[in-house]
Amino acid sequence: NAGVMQNPRHLVRRRGQEARLRCSPMKGHSHVYWYRQLPEEGLKFMVYLQKENIIDESGMPKERFSAEFPKEGPSILRIQQVVRGDSAAYFCASSPSPLEGGTEAFFGQGTRLTVV
Amino acid sequence: GIQVEQSPPDLILQEGANSTLRCNFSDSVNNLQWFHQNPWGQLINLFYIPSGTKQNGRLSATTVATERYSLLYISSSQTTDSGVYFCAVAAYGQNFVFGPGTRLSVLP
Repeated sequence: NAGVMQNPRHLVRRRGQEARLRCSPMKGHSHVYWYRQLPEEGLKFMVYLQKENIIDESGMPKERFSAEFPKEGPSILRIQQVVRGDSAAYFCASSPSPLEGGTEAFFGQGTRLTVV
Repeated sequence: GIQVEQSPPDLILQEGANSTLRCNFSDSVNNLQWFHQNPWGQLINLFYIPSGTKQNGRLSATTVATERYSLLYISSSQTTDSGVYFCAVAAYGQNFVFGPGTRLSVLP
């Protein structure tokens, strides 16, 4: 059973370009979470999705950021018109049921985005 | 929202020493996990432990949910234990909130 797969592992974008980060959850997991880790800081919640639905996006910046988890395929975190402050590690996690109900979540290896 | 504190923020040990890391949280939780972020940035699951005690080799953890804290014990530490240890909690209706982490350095 493969773990949570994120790609790319490293992504370099120039200011103003778009970044697309992909996350394939563990088999049998339909709940996906995105977290951002700024350099030398902890992980901050961004968005929680269940297949085809955004459940909680309270941690997402209001502009330029969007997320989806289609019926088929990986979850995508999209950042438009990237700025230097978007440089961070973006982690995806998945779980078989909602975290609040008590279930173990597993994290991918992260995508390290560098904006130059 | 729920607040999570971890102590100590930094810890330096000689190889072979034991340590205790603490996680305090401000409200009742339904979910608590400990993670190790290694020097390459990978987040590794250590324990899923919303209550009770678990052991896995040299590591063990205890969560006293009624008193809102969890402890992670590392015995006979090795250089490969170096990295940042995070606890993360989820209360009802919320997603994971991470603590600020404890940065552990184990010296040979």
